[in-house]
Amino acid sequence: GDSVTQMEGPVTLSEEAFLTINCTYTATGYPSLFWYVQYPGEGLQLLLKATKADDKGSNKGFEATYRKETTSFHLEKGSVQVSDSAVYFCALSVNTGGFKTIFGAGTRLFVKA
Amino acid sequence: NAGVTQTPKFQVLKTGQSMTLQCAQDMNHNSMYWYRQDPGMGLRLIYYSASEGTTDKGEVPNGYNVSRLNKREFSLRLESAAPSQTSVYFCASRGTSGNTDTQYFGPGTRLTVL
Repeated sequence: GDSVTQMEGPVTLSEEAFLTINCTYTATGYPSLFWYVQYPGEGLQLLLKATKADDKGSNKGFEATYRKETTSFHLEKGSVQVSDSAVYFCALSVNTGGFKTIFGAGTRLFVKA
Repeated sequence: NAGVTQTPKFQVLKTGQSMTLQCAQDMNHNSMYWYRQDPGMGLRLIYYSASEGTTDKGEVPNGYNVSRLNKREFSLRLESAAPSQTSVYFCASRGTSGNTDTQYFGPGTRLTVL
């Protein structure tokens, strides 16, 4: 079945460090891919998305490229800030008689000043 | 425009008690969802409603019932709570942003079953 696998956390970085959170997926058909972010005590918010192969989603300095050949959608940011500390979820959406979104387990990021 | 709202924010139940979690959205979305979030397991779909008047089971429906009261509201009921239902529950609605569907989440309900 469809699934999303992302790197386990927590990931701890110093401010201004480079961030990569790996995400790979398994899906039939052509899913849309998402990164959601969850700040403490809040619900998930959409961070970025990509709808087809080679698309790059970007927002707030974060980027991810839809790689069909490697079935990956890795999240990157060139210089993290303390305010980026949160849990990041990779997800895919497929239309199988109704849209369903499948989430990865989440990766917690801590950024130290 | 409040987005997706959920009540209550916190709840403690004893085993066997019942309760209903409320969810409402003001974005005129057709689809609504209930998830539970447990440590290390991401979000798991409990039930969803593709449109007013329809509901379908998700990945983990046992022990829950839902009602799509109208287009705005989608409630989740625990008839006889069990400790295994201790979790954080999120409601979401789905809208179309460009040519891609996006889910909008409520702030969550943290439920503890003793």
